[in-house]
Amino acid sequence: GAVVSQHPSWVICKSGTSVKIECRSLDFQATTMFWYRQFPKQSLMLMATSNEGSKATYEQGVEKDKFLINHASLTLSTLTVTSAHPEDSSFYICSASWGQGRDYGYTFGSGTRLTVV
Amino acid sequence: GESVGLHLPTLSVQEGDNSIINCAYSNSASDYFIWYKQESGKGPQFIIDIRSNMDKRQGQRVTVLLNKTVKHLSLQIAATQPGDSAVYFCAEPGNQFYFGTGTSLTVIP
Repeated sequence: GAVVSQHPSWVICKSGTSVKIECRSLDFQATTMFWYRQFPKQSLMLMATSNEGSKATYEQGVEKDKFLINHASLTLSTLTVTSAHPEDSSFYICSASWGQGRDYGYTFGSGTRLTVV
Repeated sequence: GESVGLHLPTLSVQEGDNSIINCAYSNSASDYFIWYKQESGKGPQFIIDIRSNMDKRQGQRVTVLLNKTVKHLSLQIAATQPGDSAVYFCAEPGNQFYFGTGTSLTVIP
């Protein structure tokens, strides 16, 4: 159980275009989802935390107008990289929290490799 | 702890040896910790977790030790195998979910 599906697994786009990445919880309701980016040989850096039905909370230094997050349902969160540039090329990973009380956990998607050319 | 984007420290071990990966955290109020394994090009995979009311927890070939006095976690992997080669992160979920720097483990056949 607690499976998170992330799509696409990789995408190549032209500079200036927008790219949408989807994160779906397949067998549970994800009240909270997290979005990360990861550069080669570095740790995951939290970009934003989103709660279903409310605005995402962005980490310091992350442009909310560039990285649009929509968490419209308990099973789907999307990250849209708007007007992508080569420096946005990275590995983007989502995570969803499940459960409550003393029985809870976090499951990660398989990641999306974005290359902006 | 909070991710600072530093380059990963590395650890190399011989196949069959035990591996110990360490992690320090800063928030003394943290009560839940998770170890993740990340293989190249993939998302993190859950390995084992531990709550602050425990000092030790064992899984299959893995043991996590928690020392709350010095705010330190360790992950021990017994009889390390080539398939264990990956980056290992500790994480302390909370309102935000930050990852530690991570350790890149290489198993030498």
